[in-house]
Amino acid sequence: QQQVKQSPQSLIVQKGGISIINCAYENTAFDYFPWYQQFPGKGPALLIAIRPDVSEKKEGRFTISFNKSAKQFSLHIMDSQPGDSATYFCAASQSDSNYQLIWGAGTKLIIKP
Amino acid sequence: ETGVTQTPRHLVMGMTNKKSLKCEQHLGHNAMYWYKQSAKKPLELMFVYNFKEQTENNSVPSRFSPECPNSSHLFLHLHTLQPEDSALYLCASSLQAGGYEQYFGPGTRLTVT
Repeated sequence: QQQVKQSPQSLIVQKGGISIINCAYENTAFDYFPWYQQFPGKGPALLIAIRPDVSEKKEGRFTISFNKSAKQFSLHIMDSQPGDSATYFCAASQSDSNYQLIWGAGTKLIIKP
Repeated sequence: ETGVTQTPRHLVMGMTNKKSLKCEQHLGHNAMYWYKQSAKKPLELMFVYNFKEQTENNSVPSRFSPECPNSSHLFLHLHTLQPEDSALYLCASSLQAGGYEQYFGPGTRLTVT
């Protein structure tokens, strides 16, 4: 119930292509869904986040799509660049559990020049 | 120094050693967290401190002992560790516990021999 399942585990995309990472959850009480980006030797950093009152949120080349009925959300990276190569984590939390983040296992993204 | 800093960055210790990890945040935040990051697994929340009070202890073995002397500093005291405790230990902070963006340090890579 508390798990967040993330796929794929790794992803290789050509420069300029679209990278798509998916996450699924079971707990319908989750109400906050952030994505974090982690570069080697660094800690994760918040990239973009969404709440379930909207179905999509866009920030530059990064878009979160949220499907409440399917209990899924995904990260789309448009015009992927080599500098986007990193590990991406989705997470979820609910306000009545003190917003403790439940994390996905991560996706290692490699953008080939 | 800005953001969240962690020392040491790398640590090798034997199973009978006692060592401590240090985290310092320069962001004026009131909540601090310890996470364990293992390869291909979700981040595991270990401890949460909010305004210097421990609010979460996610069934962490007693060989890990946290200390939060003030809102800017967090320690993780280690003793009698096991090889399976080898991992990247991440410290994070946020304005308060619950629903706020978490800022991560670069982590301490711990190897238990």
